Amino acid sequence: LAKTTQPISMDSYEGQEVNITCSHNNIATNDYITWYQQFPSQGPRFIIQGYKTKVTNEVASLFIPADRKSSTLSLPRVSLSDTAVYYCLVGENAGNNRKLIWGLGTSLAVNP
Amino acid sequence: KAGVTQTPRYLIKTRGQQVTLSCSPISGHRSVSWYQQTPGQGLQFLFEYFSETQRNKGNFPGRFSGRQFSNSRSEMNVSTLELGDSALYLCASSLFSNQPQHFGDGTRLSIL
Repeated sequence: LAKTTQPISMDSYEGQEVNITCSHNNIATNDYITWYQQFPSQGPRFIIQGYKTKVTNEVASLFIPADRKSSTLSLPRVSLSDTAVYYCLVGENAGNNRKLIWGLGTSLAVNP
Repeated sequence: KAGVTQTPRYLIKTRGQQVTLSCSPISGHRSVSWYQQTPGQGLQFLFEYFSETQRNKGNFPGRFSGRQFSNSRSEMNVSTLELGDSALYLCASSLFSNQPQHFGDGTRLSIL
């Protein structure tokens, strides 16, 4: 089974750029890489999704190398409200039973 | 439009009992997925339903089952509850399987 690996925790300061990397082997050819953010007592919230190269939206950028075995979520100029757990989601085809594999999440702490 | 709604928010049961959790997806979304979240295991995929059919299934015992109705609302049932079933159960909906998912805030299930 494919496994995703993320750092367990990261620390940053307000105004800095934060990069969180997720490693994922055996990603399926037609699967996307998706990142979510989760605050305590809430469900995860979608941040960004990509297939290859670079994707950017109003809150983040996603960098995916050509081999697609990893991805990096980039959060520009973080604020205290960005303190949360960030998850990397990669779909995996296991025969006819597509299993959705989540990383264990990276707990980001943004300090003043 | 309204987000994903899960009921109840909190539930306390005892070992051996069974429980049914409910999820109302975003209007128009046909894919509904269920996840179990625990501190030690993180988010684990249970199953996905699309147009009333189970499309994908994770590695959970048969005590965990679900169904989806014609209006896309979904229920998850856990029979013969065990202490280890204590967790936050999250429901997510999307237009199609590879689209970003929108999560509810979960049902916190505690087994005594």
